[in-house]
Amino acid sequence: GAVVSQHPSRVICKSGTSVKIECRSLDFQATTMFWYRQFPKQSLMLMATSNEGSKATYEQGVEKDKFLINHASLTLSTLTVTSAHPEDSSFYICSASPAMGAGELFFGEGSRLTVL
Amino acid sequence: QQPVQSPQAVILREGEDAVINCSSSKALYSVHWYRQKHGEAPVFLMILLKGGEQKGHEKISASFNEKKQQSSLYLTASQLSYSGTYFCGTFRTGNQFYFGTGTSLTVIP
Repeated sequence: GAVVSQHPSRVICKSGTSVKIECRSLDFQATTMFWYRQFPKQSLMLMATSNEGSKATYEQGVEKDKFLINHASLTLSTLTVTSAHPEDSSFYICSASPAMGAGELFFGEGSRLTVL
Repeated sequence: QQPVQSPQAVILREGEDAVINCSSSKALYSVHWYRQKHGEAPVFLMILLKGGEQKGHEKISASFNEKKQQSSLYLTASQLSYSGTYFCGTFRTGNQFYFGTGTSLTVIP
């Protein structure tokens, strides 16, 4: 199956700092990438959908200025959590799709963010 | 936007069967099923693309009733390795992909 690499897998940062998470599709071109956030014992909640070369579409309630998403190429998307606070601590996971609106999603390994 | 799953949690003994339901208030054009182990990425199980479609994956199968906007996942003769959280998911117009609310499945010896 297709491979998506996400790193870092774990990151601990101080409150007020910014953290960047990278998501790369290694063997296919990802037309669309999705970013999810998952709190303990909860579902994966969609944060934003990004298509290569265009601005990300954020879900209601997700702050665009706080969670910066860049999808600069067909193989790379980044999520930057700016001015992180303890409530941003969560499991962040990206997924990529070679097609728009169809087909299996391929997931990164996830990033566990802890904000002290 | 998020499909609703039932039950929220289920505990089975090895060898028992289970059914997990996924229901949407909006039209379902396709349904995905994934299983997630704690702290890991979801693992793809199957996609159902047509109403009435049924698919199987070892002892795990699923059905899709497009008219009722529902899908069900069937696990038969459960094994310890089946433990995890199961999610259905679907694409919506605008190309967003939403996961269902999730069902925690625990298989005990």
